[in-house]
Amino acid sequence: GEDVEQSLFLSVREGDSSVINCTYTDSSSTYLYWYKQEPGAGLQLLTYIFSNMDMKQDQRLTVLLNKKDKHLSLRIADTQTGDSAIYFCAESIRSNDYKLSFGAGTTVTVRA
Amino acid sequence: DSGVTQTPKHLITATGQRVTLRCSPRSGDLSVYWYQQSLDQGLQFLIQYYNGEERAKGNILERFSAQQFPDLHSELNLSSLELGDSALYFCASTTTGGAGGYTFGSGTRLTVV
Repeated sequence: GEDVEQSLFLSVREGDSSVINCTYTDSSSTYLYWYKQEPGAGLQLLTYIFSNMDMKQDQRLTVLLNKKDKHLSLRIADTQTGDSAIYFCAESIRSNDYKLSFGAGTTVTVRA
Repeated sequence: DSGVTQTPKHLITATGQRVTLRCSPRSGDLSVYWYQQSLDQGLQFLIQYYNGEERAKGNILERFSAQQFPDLHSELNLSSLELGDSALYFCASTTTGGAGGYTFGSGTRLTVV
């Protein structure tokens, strides 16, 4: 079945790197996603990775996928105050029509 | 602007009432998904429509219903509202397949008093 877990909170100093972790249980996951939700806003797709990839980099964002441990991480380099938000990990499975299953979200607080 | 439009942005209503939430998907997207976000339940999938037809159902209560019209906009109807229905309701759309992820609207915040 689908079950995505994340730690709930992360506090990071401005300029440092943030690492948000996620575990999933369905080994047939096809795509894994990171979404960002700022206060009062909807979910913004940050990046996604296909399950046959190990890493994807997009500017300040690096996604690492460990399929053996079913572990996904999002690293944000040079974290800024604008990065303060809730980050959701999600998975989708082709056999389930790519329906997204979300984790509970990690609240990232960037302190000066 | 994500291209997915939800109205209204905020809704306050009394218990027992019925409301309709509206969603216009991104141009060209055939699939519409509805999600409920509450503090205790997180993001819960409610229902999916594809090109006017119901495709999948999630944790949607019998008091809730939805439809997708020929112009592809969708409406989520919530009836006999209870205090526990207070939440953010998101609509998302995607192209066929959805492998690239969904595009979410900014949500409708429903408060039941």
